[in-house]
Amino acid sequence: AIQMTQTPSSLSASVGDRVTITCRASQGIRNDLAWYQQKPGQAPKVLIYGASNLQNGVPSRFSASGSGTFFTLTISSLQPEDFATYYCLQNNDYTWTFGQGTKVEVK
Amino acid sequence: QLVQSGADIKRPGASLRLSCTASGYTFRNYYIHWMRQAPGQGLEWMGVLDPSDGGTHFAQSFQGRLSITSDTSTATAYMELSSLRSEDTAVYYCAREKVVYHALDMWGQGTVVTVSS
Repeated sequence: AIQMTQTPSSLSASVGDRVTITCRASQGIRNDLAWYQQKPGQAPKVLIYGASNLQNGVPSRFSASGSGTFFTLTISSLQPEDFATYYCLQNNDYTWTFGQGTKVEVK
Repeated sequence: QLVQSGADIKRPGASLRLSCTASGYTFRNYYIHWMRQAPGQGLEWMGVLDPSDGGTHFAQSFQGRLSITSDTSTATAYMELSSLRSEDTAVYYCAREKVVYHALDMWGQGTVVTVSS
């Protein structure tokens, strides 16, 4: 099974900061990766699909890139509503795998 | 939307059956995935169902004790997990896959399951 290593596990940041989260796949997954945001007590919400495509309705401060084994999610200017946990999810084969998650906390 | 069944408490060794009822779209046109999240932990992908033909795929860690089925007449997907243990205590989510984009674009509200003696 494909393993996803997501870093960091947590980070502290301030409103307006630029934040970057990374995911590494244990083998090449082309661009078969999505990013999700989860707030406490809520179901996750898709932000990015196909490694770099912004889901409808998601603010443009979110961007992502990567292919093969290395992927990044960037929030260009952190807003108060962005404090949450972020997960990558690979969908390259028949069984999918989440990264461990990154909790973005208030500094 | 996807509406999941209510919270449940199970004894170790028992089986669990959760439902996920879809509305507002053509049920057969979207895969249904099941995920779970143990208390304070990350998300874990469990398996996927193609409602159009009943085809399924499961995470290796659930092989042999996970089943996902559907009733297209009621637009409902079911997840059954057997031989429950305390580590299966979690919030269970269903979600719809927008197949062209491989994105889980609609989620259920989650079902809290507690396994305890």
